Amino acid sequence: KAGVTQTPRYLIKTRGQQVTLSCSPISGHRSVSWYQQTPGQGLQFLFEYFSETQRNKGNFPGRFSGRQFSNSRSEMNVSTLELGDSALYLCASKTSGQETQYFGPGTRLLVL
Amino acid sequence: AQSVSQHNHHVILSEAASLELGCNYSYGGTVNLFWYVQYPGQHLQLLLKYFSGDPLVKGIKGFEAEFIKSKFSFNLRKPSVQWSDTAEYFCAVTLYGGSQGNLIFGKGTKLSVKP
Repeated sequence: KAGVTQTPRYLIKTRGQQVTLSCSPISGHRSVSWYQQTPGQGLQFLFEYFSETQRNKGNFPGRFSGRQFSNSRSEMNVSTLELGDSALYLCASKTSGQETQYFGPGTRLLVL
Repeated sequence: AQSVSQHNHHVILSEAASLELGCNYSYGGTVNLFWYVQYPGQHLQLLLKYFSGDPLVKGIKGFEAEFIKSKFSFNLRKPSVQWSDTAEYFCAVTLYGGSQGNLIFGKGTKLSVKP
């Protein structure tokens, strides 16, 4: 079974721009979560989607948003990029009723 | 707020040395516990997990962890490390029956194994 895939793998943007990241979960997994990884803050939870609905949200500003499609693929969007948004953005998926999350390779975003 | 603490930021060992990485969490209720590993240039991989039952759990690559409820701890151990164990290790929890299962991570421990 294919793992979690994320596109693109690398992105360079400038301040003020917006960016959209994509995540395809493992086949059959309906829950998709997003995490931000930075050297200073470590791994922090952004939000979780299940059956196209946001089920849980971390403590991030409204510039960070996401959505999930009927095929469980998910996108996250960051508007008005700031330098501090430079990070590795990780997507994880899991099946309904299970606790174990499986991670993708991440998208490394650099904001200049 | 719930949190996870990993005591060591960077651990340096020689091959064949024993490893123990500390992890403590702050939450009074039932938790699910995980250790993830991130090898250089690779994605986060599940090393082992504990949900219930025997508090000593075995994972991949010879790793094990012990859940001590009274100490809110879930320390990771390996009797003899190899150079290939060089990686960053993350302890994480989810709150049982709580906030839909988002992982709360520790800051990670970087392990460097000298050949």
